[in-house]
Amino acid sequence: SAVISQKPSRDICQRGTSLTIQCQVDSQVTMMFWYRQQPGQSLTLIATANQGSEATYESGFVIDKFPISRPNLTFSTLTVSNMSPEDSSIYLCSVGGEEPQHFGDGTRLSIL
Amino acid sequence: AQSVTQLGSHVSVSEGALVLLRCNYSSSVPPYLFWYVQYPNQGLQLLLKYTSAATLVKGINGFEAEFKKSETSFHLTKPSAHMSDAAEYFCAVSESLGNEKLTFGTGTRLTIIP
Repeated sequence: SAVISQKPSRDICQRGTSLTIQCQVDSQVTMMFWYRQQPGQSLTLIATANQGSEATYESGFVIDKFPISRPNLTFSTLTVSNMSPEDSSIYLCSVGGEEPQHFGDGTRLSIL
Repeated sequence: AQSVTQLGSHVSVSEGALVLLRCNYSSSVPPYLFWYVQYPNQGLQLLLKYTSAATLVKGINGFEAEFKKSETSFHLTKPSAHMSDAAEYFCAVSESLGNEKLTFGTGTRLTIIP
């Protein structure tokens, strides 16, 4: 299965700032997904990112807050904008396609 | 719409005892079902998947799950618990194998008692 590298693995940020999370895959994949896991909770899909098209956002998530780029078939970024303490979560990317979704190790984000 | 219910947010079993983690799903289309495990400070690892090929599915680390359509269930079992099984377990449902969103249950934290 694909090897997924997420950067950074963790960060502590000041409120009002933005952070861009990178997801690099060692093979070309069609489907990439971004999930959020709030403290002690399950995973919720933020958006689906396909190469060459706009990301598709789930209800409750907007592009201004979580802009996503997908410049090629091996890379995607998620930006968490104008952060507040409520954004403290684990953000995970996953890759899909012909096989079940496979996840990176996540980015653990804390907002002070 | 799809949904997953995991009964029991915390389950404790003795080492060597049977592990049973419960998952019930709701889906308007034939579902694809998954169990993922999350160890501390790690991402999610796929344990097993149901894709309608067989109702009893075997996964990694000795885990298996049985799809029961009449009960809309997909419970995870392991005959003999090991200390290394201590982790968070998530059941998930999707409309496809890998191209559609995963809808997760709330998770079950498994503790193994020595």
